[in-house]
Amino acid sequence: QKEVEQNSGPLSVPEGAIASLNCTYSDRGSQSFFWYRQYSGKSPELIMSIYSNGDKEDGRFTAQLNKASQYVSLLIRDSQPSDSATYLCAVTGGNNRLAFGKGNQVVVIP
Amino acid sequence: DTGVSQNPRHKITKRGQNVTFRCDPISEHNRLYWYRQTLGQGPEFLTYFQNEAQLEKSRLLSDRFSAERPKGSFSTLEIQRTEQGDSAMYLCASSSEDIGADYGYTFGSGTRLTVV
Repeated sequence: QKEVEQNSGPLSVPEGAIASLNCTYSDRGSQSFFWYRQYSGKSPELIMSIYSNGDKEDGRFTAQLNKASQYVSLLIRDSQPSDSATYLCAVTGGNNRLAFGKGNQVVVIP
Repeated sequence: DTGVSQNPRHKITKRGQNVTFRCDPISEHNRLYWYRQTLGQGPEFLTYFQNEAQLEKSRLLSDRFSAERPKGSFSTLEIQRTEQGDSAMYLCASSSEDIGADYGYTFGSGTRLTVV
């Protein structure tokens, strides 16, 4: 089992709609959870972090964490064409480094 | 410039040649991480340093790969006898010891390696 799983295929959403991304992780001891955005040919950029169960909102982004079910999600409200990118879920483990999922591509259609 | 700096940005090399990449971390950070990312995959951990000590190496880091961080400042990643499967983006990140990865870390721009 991979440490971090992102299994959804590319997600196409109309401009202005909500994009929803999910991620599960295997290490119950993980304490810190992150979402990175990566544009094609660029390095990942940290956009959200979450540490406690529940929701965390930052502008149009909302991260949700459920430690009991070992999943993290990201909602992008009022999706814009500039949100078209790959979104990477990342989790810290006991070895104090980040483990990444393979990412989900989001395409916002004008 | 207070960010993580990586050089070169792009490297094209012939199969069998050796290549070396450099990473300059944020100056006050004593932890430095190397990751590799291939097309359609997330970054995969390769190794990390605390100061000049290499504390962990992934099994992905074959004996053709070597990383150093002399004097605990910049780091180099060398790949000997490159193979086409080494073609990837090589990413570097840094953090401070007391934070580690707890607040995420910031990546450099990466070095894209193409082996032909």
